[in-house]
Amino acid sequence: DTEVTQTPKHLVMGMTNKKSLKCEQHMGHRAMYWYKQKAKKPPELMFVYSYEKLSINESVPSRFSPECPNSSLLNLHLHALQPEDSALYLCASSQERPGARELFFGEGSRLTVL
Amino acid sequence: AQSVTQLDSQVPVFEEAPVELRCNYSSSVSVYLFWYVQYPNQGLQLLLKYLSGSTLVKGINGFEAEFNKSQTSFHLRKPSVHISDTAEYFCAVSDTGRRALTFGSGTRLQVQP
Repeated sequence: DTEVTQTPKHLVMGMTNKKSLKCEQHMGHRAMYWYKQKAKKPPELMFVYSYEKLSINESVPSRFSPECPNSSLLNLHLHALQPEDSALYLCASSQERPGARELFFGEGSRLTVL
Repeated sequence: AQSVTQLDSQVPVFEEAPVELRCNYSSSVSVYLFWYVQYPNQGLQLLLKYLSGSTLVKGINGFEAEFNKSQTSFHLRKPSVHISDTAEYFCAVSDTGRRALTFGSGTRLQVQP
């Protein structure tokens, strides 16, 4: 069983909709991540939060808006998405110290944009 | 900058045969290396990791990997595979400066009866 929980598991939205993906972990990790994974491709880093502050933004379009309300929660707000944004969105967390860079992944939220 | 190359996109193998999945990395600094497995419609699960110390690393499900600094490789091995090992395997690297992982393109292990 994964200790990183993502909701919803599946989401279908139109290009004008506003929706959010949610991620929760209770391992006391202070770093949290959003990755995007297209079919038959490796995960691509989108955002990294460290101690609830955004530390890495991999030039992600502004229609994706991350939020870290507290050390256990990570959201990804979606607005005016394009069909090419359809993908599996993976949340991960890790400890925030050298040597402990193992990422723990959730099972993902599969997004379909119509 | 760091990068990871997985030389084989697909590896077909018969059940109970040994398997090796290849991974090479490039980085100008010391690295941490990982292998993850992804079953269909699931997230990624850590198989094993190399942070420091012994170059032979043992992981879950009978997998092991050997870190070879001179050849900049971190190949994954299993002496006898099962049908249930059929999945996508990703090699990943992070360095002492950059926190996030960089993934290789993945290797599809297909175990046949």
